[in-house]
Amino acid sequence: GDSVTQMEGPVTLSEEACLTINCTYTATGYPSLFWYVQYPGEGLQLLLKATKADDKGSNKGFEATYRKETTSFHLEKGSVQVSDSAVYFCALFLDTGNQFYFGTGTSLTVIP
Amino acid sequence: GAGVSQSPSNKVTEKGKDVELRCDPISGHTALYWYRQSLGQGLEFLIYFQGNSAPDKSGLPSDRFSAERTGGSVSTLTIQRTQQEDSAVYLCASSLVTRYNEQFFGPGTRLTVL
Repeated sequence: GDSVTQMEGPVTLSEEACLTINCTYTATGYPSLFWYVQYPGEGLQLLLKATKADDKGSNKGFEATYRKETTSFHLEKGSVQVSDSAVYFCALFLDTGNQFYFGTGTSLTVIP
Repeated sequence: GAGVSQSPSNKVTEKGKDVELRCDPISGHTALYWYRQSLGQGLEFLIYFQGNSAPDKSGLPSDRFSAERTGGSVSTLTIQRTQQEDSAVYLCASSLVTRYNEQFFGPGTRLTVL
């Protein structure tokens, strides 16, 4: 079935370190792919998205490229900040079913 | 403009009691989703409403769970005869129905069943 698998956490990094959170998907059809972020005490909010193969989504220094050949949408940031500490969720949307499929979330803690 | 709101923000109840959780979506959003987020787990899809169509209830974990959406706007999730395993954060999200949907999430209701 359709699903998203993302890297298990928690992840702890020092400030200015590089970040990669892996996400792979299984889907019948051509999904749109998303990264959502949940900051402490807040609701989920969209971080970035890509709607077709080879698209790159970017926001707040984060990037992710929709790779159809590897069915992946890895989240990357070159230099993390303490304020990036949050839980990150990878998700896919298939308009054939009008349903989102979310990964289990990856907790990131950035220490000064 | 106003985002998705949910009430109450926290609910503590005793095992066996019924609870109602409310969601007010963004005005004009025709799609509404309910999810459950348990400690250490991802988001579990519960139910989806789209306009006047029959809801997709495929994610409801048992017949103790039900939801309705009145007038295509406000939605209520009802859990009957609550159990301790129902303790979780219940999230509501709404979206415009376009090909590249973006869901807007509410802050959630934290339910604790004692």
